[in-house]
Amino acid sequence: EAGVAQSPRYKIIEKRQSVAFWCNPISGHATLYWYQQILGQGPKLLIQFQNNGVVDDSQLPKDRFSAERLKGVDSTLKIQPAKLEDSAVYLCASSLAPPPYEQYFGPGTRLTVT
Amino acid sequence: QKEVEQDPGPLSVPEGAIVSLNCTYSNSAFQYFMWYRQYSRKGPELLMYTYSSGNKEDGRFTAQVDKSSKYISLFIRDSQPSDSATYLCAMTSTNTGNQFYFGTGTSLTVIP
Repeated sequence: EAGVAQSPRYKIIEKRQSVAFWCNPISGHATLYWYQQILGQGPKLLIQFQNNGVVDDSQLPKDRFSAERLKGVDSTLKIQPAKLEDSAVYLCASSLAPPPYEQYFGPGTRLTVT
Repeated sequence: QKEVEQDPGPLSVPEGAIVSLNCTYSNSAFQYFMWYRQYSRKGPELLMYTYSSGNKEDGRFTAQVDKSSKYISLFIRDSQPSDSATYLCAMTSTNTGNQFYFGTGTSLTVIP
């Protein structure tokens, strides 16, 4: 079974630029999550989708972050404009159904904002 | 107070040692408890998933949950250099908005 795919793996941008990350969940997984993991910290949920609807985006900085999940499969997370404090690893995870079903993580995208 | 507290370490042990990793939590509503292993520059990998109190064993790994003390543990027997990674605990409940709460992770190094 293929795992969660993410791209790009690494990205370096200057502050105030925009960036987008892509995630392809495990086939058949209805629930998709985007997390932000700052160095030395645990993952922090940004947004959770159930199929193509948003379940929880309470911790998403909506003035600069946006996410969509078209057709209930792939998802993109965008940051515009980026700030220095956005430097982190952005992890995508998916699960068969909403919590408490097990989440499976992708390899992450490491973003550096200079 | 954080929802989940985890000692960040780092923890360094010799090969073959028994490792004990722990998390405490504040919300008694948590019902589902997970341990993830995260290698450097990789995403977290699910190791153990338990429901409510009790023990669960999988090979060299044992997860324990003590809901009365709000304390969970992961034991690694006969530790190997390949176990060197960061270990994250996570928990959730159908009564907590279905959100997963993660610890900050404990960095473990197993020395050959």
